[in-house]
Amino acid sequence: AQRVTQPEKLLSVFKGAPVELKCNYSYSGSPELFWYVQYSRQRLQLLLRHISRESIKGFTADLNKGETSFHLKKPFAQEEDSAMYYCASLSTSGTYKYIFGTGTRLKVLA
Amino acid sequence: NAGVMQNPRHLVRRRGQEARLRCSPMKGHSHVYWYRQLPEEGLKFMVYLQKENIIDESGMPKERFSAEFPKEGPSILRIQQVVRGDSAAYFCASSPEQGRNTEAFFGQGTRLTVV
Repeated sequence: AQRVTQPEKLLSVFKGAPVELKCNYSYSGSPELFWYVQYSRQRLQLLLRHISRESIKGFTADLNKGETSFHLKKPFAQEEDSAMYYCASLSTSGTYKYIFGTGTRLKVLA
Repeated sequence: NAGVMQNPRHLVRRRGQEARLRCSPMKGHSHVYWYRQLPEEGLKFMVYLQKENIIDESGMPKERFSAEFPKEGPSILRIQQVVRGDSAAYFCASSPEQGRNTEAFFGQGTRLTVV
């Protein structure tokens, strides 16, 4: 079965420091992977998807098939990046639906 | 476009009561998904519906849970005879279509507490 693993529940970094939020997936085919973000008291929203290879708010994520990883990175963290981050894979078993990791709370300290 | 609207935001029910959670998708979206997030866990898929049809209910518990998306009105997730283990955040998402590149938009969730 497809699975998404986010090993860190909480990640604290200082403002200006680099950030890496880890995500590993288990899927033998070509995965569709996403990062969703939930700011305090707001709804879950799409941050980026691997297929578009874009950078949003300074965040990037590269699919590494050898390591089955899709880590989210930002070179210089900002306080407004503090949020809950969820990595998700698109299941193609039956219908298209997301399989989420357990999430990582990022705290950026002043 | 107001986005996906869920109500109520918070719902408290006593054990044995029924819980009804409502979700109004974004305008123009005919695909609705329900997810449940138990404490300390990720969001887990429950059910996928289109208007008047349940397409995929592979994540729904076999008993007490049901969902509908009528021709008119919001999608409803119904939990009968709630138990403490049903306490969770329930999220609804909608999309204009199904496909690999289709983004789903999420509501703010309903937090159900069973006392």
